[in-house]
Amino acid sequence: DSGVTQTPKHLITATGQRVTLRCSPRSGDLSVYWYQQSLDQGLQFLIQYYNGEERAKGNILERFSAQQFPDLHSELNLSSLELGDSALYFCASSVSSLGTSGSYEQFFGPGTRLTVL
Amino acid sequence: LAKTTQPISMDSYEGQEVNITCSHNNIATNDYITWYQQFPSQGPRFIIQGYKTKVTNEVASLFIPADRKSSTLSLPRVSLSDTAVYYCLVGDKSGYSGGYQKVTFGTGTKLQVIP
Repeated sequence: DSGVTQTPKHLITATGQRVTLRCSPRSGDLSVYWYQQSLDQGLQFLIQYYNGEERAKGNILERFSAQQFPDLHSELNLSSLELGDSALYFCASSVSSLGTSGSYEQFFGPGTRLTVL
Repeated sequence: LAKTTQPISMDSYEGQEVNITCSHNNIATNDYITWYQQFPSQGPRFIIQGYKTKVTNEVASLFIPADRKSSTLSLPRVSLSDTAVYYCLVGDKSGYSGGYQKVTFGTGTKLQVIP
């Protein structure tokens, strides 16, 4: 158990719809990362937040957006869903606010499997 | 942003040592090299990280030559449970306490351990 939680575990929806994926980082971690992994593909970095601020952007579509709240949990919003958005979405967290992590290791959650029909 | 190249797949028999090499010719001075392991339908798990020379922990060793343009993950005496995808990452920690500015996972190396 990495300490990172993601909800829901599974999500089935239709094209054109909008969904929200939720992530709670490990206690004390200030950074949250979102990744997309399509079937048999590597992980595609989408976006990173640190202490509420966007820090880095990867291959994130304009239809997707994210935010990190004051309690450090994060949400990834996916809108106008297409069949190709079906994938596993992972959240990861890193960097303890206690400053004990010098390796910037990322701890990954179990993922949310999104199926768009 | 340093790009990494790894073999797509490898097979190994149980009990053998496995070495997976990653090329990162454009690695920058501030970049660290990190390896992750991923089982199907699970999130990746940190294995080891290093900057130069050799790093060893309870599960693996990481060898980094002086020019740092490549690195080798060594798994001693693999078992069936080591069958997974292994990712090599090169990350820039420059300046920000928020960790890697941009993290790129390649396609990874699919290791199949054979009984």
